[in-house]
Amino acid sequence: GQNIDQPTEMTATEGAIVQINCTYQTSGFNGLFWYQQHAGEAPTFLSYNVLDGLEEKGRFSSFLSRSKGYSYLLLKELQMKDSASYLCAVRRGSTLGRLYFGRGTQLTVWP
Amino acid sequence: DAGVIQSPRHEVTEMGQEVTLRCKPISGHDYLFWYRQTMMRGLELLIYFNNNVPIDDSGMPEDRFSAKMPNASFSTLKIQPSEPRDSAVYFCASSLQGLQGFGPGTRLTVL
Repeated sequence: GQNIDQPTEMTATEGAIVQINCTYQTSGFNGLFWYQQHAGEAPTFLSYNVLDGLEEKGRFSSFLSRSKGYSYLLLKELQMKDSASYLCAVRRGSTLGRLYFGRGTQLTVWP
Repeated sequence: DAGVIQSPRHEVTEMGQEVTLRCKPISGHDYLFWYRQTMMRGLELLIYFNNNVPIDDSGMPEDRFSAKMPNASFSTLKIQPSEPRDSAVYFCASSLQGLQGFGPGTRLTVL
């Protein structure tokens, strides 16, 4: 399997900024995805990086460094509704259709 | 456009019974995935198809599990006989070029 590591849990307060890190070890890297999953619901797509750098989408940004095998998801102006699990997933060139998911980071946002 | 459709949404059954989970992927998607999610093991890939052909079933836990995709718009995951340890949420996902969309999941409870 692929080695994808994320912190298990994080907490933050409303209005703050939080950074969720993901490190991976894989051959033939071909893209990194972030998904959000609220309790009792399905994962939903947040962001995608295939080249180094920062991708910004409103309050959420995702960064990738392929040489370091590292990505982070940055959430700004946290809201209570951001409390969820955040899943990092890697795609390999040899198995383009498949994503390899990490265990997810459970984020709790406190008022 | 309709997303991935799964049925049933909830299933409660007794140990030893056969369980069939159903999935309709997003029209035009060429990959279909079956995942299982539990608190202990996270999101596990069971099997995936490309153009209706099974590509990798190494995640299927035992011979009690089987999956079929008779056409591009329908897939089933069958467990026979079911056991209490099969209790989990089963997600179906489909994708085109790597971006996976998930169905709402089937919450299976085996008593």
